[in-house]
Amino acid sequence: EPEVTQTPSHQVTQMGQEVILRCVPISNHLYFYWYRQILGQKVEFLVSFYNNEISEKSEIFDDQFSVERPDGSNFTLKIRSTKLEDSAMYFCASIRDRGDNEQFFGPGTRLTVL
Amino acid sequence: KQEVTQIPAALSVPEGENLVLNCSFTDSAIYNLQWFRQDPGKGLTSLLLIQSSQREQTSGRLNASLDKSSGRSTLYIAASQPGDSATYLCAVRPGYSGGGADGLTFGKGTHLIIQP
Repeated sequence: EPEVTQTPSHQVTQMGQEVILRCVPISNHLYFYWYRQILGQKVEFLVSFYNNEISEKSEIFDDQFSVERPDGSNFTLKIRSTKLEDSAMYFCASIRDRGDNEQFFGPGTRLTVL
Repeated sequence: KQEVTQIPAALSVPEGENLVLNCSFTDSAIYNLQWFRQDPGKGLTSLLLIQSSQREQTSGRLNASLDKSSGRSTLYIAASQPGDSATYLCAVRPGYSGGGADGLTFGKGTHLIIQP
């Protein structure tokens, strides 16, 4: 069964460094999402992406964050200068099209900022 | 702003019991509601999705209901098993833009333990 994949599973970085989290959505899906979950807290929506542009973003998604679909398969989240509070689990999700409602989530990347 | 609340926060029951997890949301203008399962340190597995026009959905031992007007959903688990132990999350999609690109709003989850 097709699934969303994410790499790496765990990323450790120093505060102030740039990180790129990678996702491969399900191949025929058109809408892509990033969410984060700080330890012990709710899963929070960050951004949605369609047709090579951001569709919607939350107040969390500030100028430190950017997303990109560099090729036909990958979808990336970049954090330019990481802060301690960026430590969280980051989930990628996708849906096939506008009429397809179920979001499929990847296994997540655990980001630890030291 | 949509708020999603799940009660109880934690639940521990003996194997074999039927149980109900509750989810409430403050804005009834939703497009759909999705229940997920999350195992420790893992991703989110979709269990059931209910469209705003539907009242319930069933999958195996799971049954989810939706009362949109009152802002409530329940997840019913029949004949619970130790393998059902996990955190169960409820999430809603806003209905104002007709679905599609909108991000989900999640509850904090119910941490469920089924004792063998």
